[in-house]
Amino acid sequence: DTAVSQTPKYLVTQMGNDKSIKCEQNLGHDTMYWYKQDSKKFLKIMFSYNNKELIINETVPNRFSPKSPDKAHLNLHINSLELGDSAVYFCASSSTGSGYTFGSGTRLTVV
Amino acid sequence: AQSVTQPDIHITVSEGASLELRCNYSYGATPYLFWYVQSPGQGLQLLLKYFSGDTLVQGIKGFEAEFKRSQSSFNLRKPSVHWSDAAEYFCAVGAGSGGYNKLIFGAGTRLAVHP
Repeated sequence: DTAVSQTPKYLVTQMGNDKSIKCEQNLGHDTMYWYKQDSKKFLKIMFSYNNKELIINETVPNRFSPKSPDKAHLNLHINSLELGDSAVYFCASSSTGSGYTFGSGTRLTVV
Repeated sequence: AQSVTQPDIHITVSEGASLELRCNYSYGATPYLFWYVQSPGQGLQLLLKYFSGDTLVQGIKGFEAEFKRSQSSFNLRKPSVHWSDAAEYFCAVGAGSGGYNKLIFGAGTRLAVHP
């Protein structure tokens, strides 16, 4: 009964590959997010979707493409992976009056 | 621009000692404020949040935080630290329409606990 679940937990891939990370929430929240945590632990928002509509896109390279098939799912596809994409990617969800609930993260390593 | 500053990168306390982690924010309107904890290799767990009302907020695991508008601060406190509290702590302010369409995080404070 995990609230926000991400898969995979770990992802190791070569430069130039394309990969996807999936996220699902069962909290009934309206809004979902992708955050990136870099090697210095700094967390920054990438995207936000509200009821399947993109509402925040924070100067992220267009190699990153989020997709929300319904309000319970938000996936992140990354094309042509680069070394600098190595990070931990967190999915989160929220609804009015609630705080954020974060997933456990996907550690992406590009070699 | 909105920002969050956590002045202490690393803090070490003895088990049983009291703890205060500092957080200062910059935000034009009434802020929505959060503290999260991250254990090594884990996700982010919400400790407490302030939306409005009583400026002293109680959270999980015995933590509390006090919102001081005049000082633009939201410091986290715990009267007696346990070894299991060793982790990274993040303060965040909610920004955007609706008050928290996105979270802006501080750089984090790493807490070490000595036995």
